[in-house]
Amino acid sequence: AQSVTQPDARVTVSEGASLQLRCKYSYSATPYLFWYVQYPRQGLQLLLKYYSGDPVVQGVNSFEAEFSKSNSSFHLQKASVHWSDSAVYFCALSPASSGSWQLIFGSGTQLTVMP
Amino acid sequence: NAGVIQTPRHKVTGKGQEATLWCEPISGHSAVFWYRQTIVQGLEFLTYFRNQAPIDDSGMPKERFSAQMPNQSHSTLKIQSTQPQDSAVYLCASSNRANTGQLYFGEGSKLTVL
Repeated sequence: AQSVTQPDARVTVSEGASLQLRCKYSYSATPYLFWYVQYPRQGLQLLLKYYSGDPVVQGVNSFEAEFSKSNSSFHLQKASVHWSDSAVYFCALSPASSGSWQLIFGSGTQLTVMP
Repeated sequence: NAGVIQTPRHKVTGKGQEATLWCEPISGHSAVFWYRQTIVQGLEFLTYFRNQAPIDDSGMPKERFSAQMPNQSHSTLKIQSTQPQDSAVYLCASSNRANTGQLYFGEGSKLTVL
């Protein structure tokens, strides 16, 4: 069965520091992978997506993620965070090759950026 | 271009009452998804429609929950005989290329069952 694991429920970093949010997935084939962000009292917004090809994908607001098939991972990174990046970040998997269109989400990581 | 619109934003019901949540997808989007979000369970898939037809309702509780999409401009999620454990934020999303996983979410409807 497919699943997404985000091992860190909460991450706190200082403004200007670098960031890595971890994501591990379980799926028999190569999945489509996504990072979504949720700001307080808002819906989810797509940050970036990976379908195939270059394992490093760029997203909005200088976020990037790196796909690793050998590690079954899709970690999110940012070189220098801003206080406005404080939000909940969700990693998600689409098992599109199985014919299902639903997104399977991880449990989310609450990011707090300290000024 | 308006995003996904969900109404009401907040709804409070008494135990045993019915709750109906509405979703207006982005114009031109062919797929509509419903998710439930709670602190304990996180984001749970409920159901989705493509071109108004129900495609996958594997996440819907078998009793009391139903979803419809009578036309391309709105979908409803109905919960009969609401229970306190139904309290959650219900998120609707739409997509014009659902098989790519790119979903556009509404701000959610927060249901509180007393």
